[in-house]
Amino acid sequence: AQSVAQPEDQVNVAEGNPLTVKCTYSVSGNPYLFWYVQYPNRGLQFLLKYITGDNLVKGSYGFEAEFNKSQTSFHLKKPSALVSDSALYFCAVRDRQAGTALIFGKGTTLSVSS
Amino acid sequence: GAGVSQSPSNKVTEKGKDVELRCDPISGHTALYWYRQSLGQGLEFLIYFQGNSAPDKSGLPSDRFSAERTGGSVSTLTIQRTQQEDSAVYLCASSLGARGGGDNSPLHFGNGTRLTVT
Repeated sequence: AQSVAQPEDQVNVAEGNPLTVKCTYSVSGNPYLFWYVQYPNRGLQFLLKYITGDNLVKGSYGFEAEFNKSQTSFHLKKPSALVSDSALYFCAVRDRQAGTALIFGKGTTLSVSS
Repeated sequence: GAGVSQSPSNKVTEKGKDVELRCDPISGHTALYWYRQSLGQGLEFLIYFQGNSAPDKSGLPSDRFSAERTGGSVSTLTIQRTQQEDSAVYLCASSLGARGGGDNSPLHFGNGTRLTVT
């Protein structure tokens, strides 16, 4: 079975500081990993994904994530947070095996203060 | 082009009534998903359709929930004998789907149907 854990319900950072939103996963095989963002009163949007290759993947709005196979983690990062980054962030995983659904974590609320 | 369309956007129903929620995916997308979003519960997977394969129904919480996808396009999620705990936002998403292997294509989400059971 697949599962995703986002251990922090909320992350608070000051504008201009680096941010990290944590995600760990569990799959029986090799994973595809994703981050999605939900801005207030807006739909879920795709941010970035890891398929294969370079462990550091870059996505929209200056976000990046690092795949760590040994720690089964896929933490989301940004070097300098903006107030406009405040939103709900979801990590998601699926096994590479065809036919498996995409499973999401419970989400982490990021709050960036000015 | 048009995104994923869901209707109605809001639905208020009495406990015990049946409801149908509709999803129109992006044209050409072979994969379709239903999720439920409740406060504090994150995104709960309900059901996944991929092309002509048998759907993955492993996330449906009870036999009161069912879904179908007609002609590989429009999908309907039906909840029978609604209960108050069914109140949530029901999200539909579609993607290009698996191409000869695992599916790594991003999901495109609709705006959801907010269901309130009174």
